Amino acid sequence: DTAVSQTPKYLVTQMGNDKSIKCEQNLGHDTMYWYKQDSKKFLKIMFSYNNKELIINETVPNRFSPKSPDKAHLNLHINSLELGDSAVYFCASSQGPGNAGANVLTFGAGSRLTVL
Amino acid sequence: RKEVEQDPGPFNVPEGATVAFNCTYSNSASQSFFWYRQDCRKEPKLLMSVYSSGNEDGRFTAQLNRASQYISLLIRDSKLSDSATYLCVVTPGGSGGSNYKLTFGKGTLLTVNP
Repeated sequence: DTAVSQTPKYLVTQMGNDKSIKCEQNLGHDTMYWYKQDSKKFLKIMFSYNNKELIINETVPNRFSPKSPDKAHLNLHINSLELGDSAVYFCASSQGPGNAGANVLTFGAGSRLTVL
Repeated sequence: RKEVEQDPGPFNVPEGATVAFNCTYSNSASQSFFWYRQDCRKEPKLLMSVYSSGNEDGRFTAQLNRASQYISLLIRDSKLSDSATYLCVVTPGGSGGSNYKLTFGKGTLLTVNP
């Protein structure tokens, strides 16, 4: 049973389109994250939610909008896709702040986005 | 200076070799340190935490030098299955959400050859 699952695994789309990536975790974690890994393999945090509340919002274009309907789900919607958005997007989860496992991330398998 | 810097490699070593990776970090207030492992086209996975006194997990030894702001990972008796990218991870100091903003290095690629 997959701990952190994200869909779709692959996404190929045209510039200007809008797309969403969904993430769900069944670990009972309070905190979820979106990371972006670009072609140079650099893994960079985008957003983090703790119990549905946004706690980290890095300098990301406002075309990217996360949504957390409940603490087990964190979705990422991207408007007006650009070539530079092509990357692998990883969802992750961890225990909440103050817990021993707060800094131990469990990642999903990644969603590879290609913008043509 | 980048927040977390690693030698990107690649490191090519024969099976059975001992190999060491270093990582430097810029924020002297950083509190927590980790090594993650990422196989090709897979997600990162926690390899081990790094404690102030140094720690060992089987063939893997991690060390932290706060004065020089670097952490290291030593792999003894390398196996083919150790081939992966090793990511150095640091959390900043401070409270609230910012302390959970794990900062990843770009990773060091290791290939263990038969």
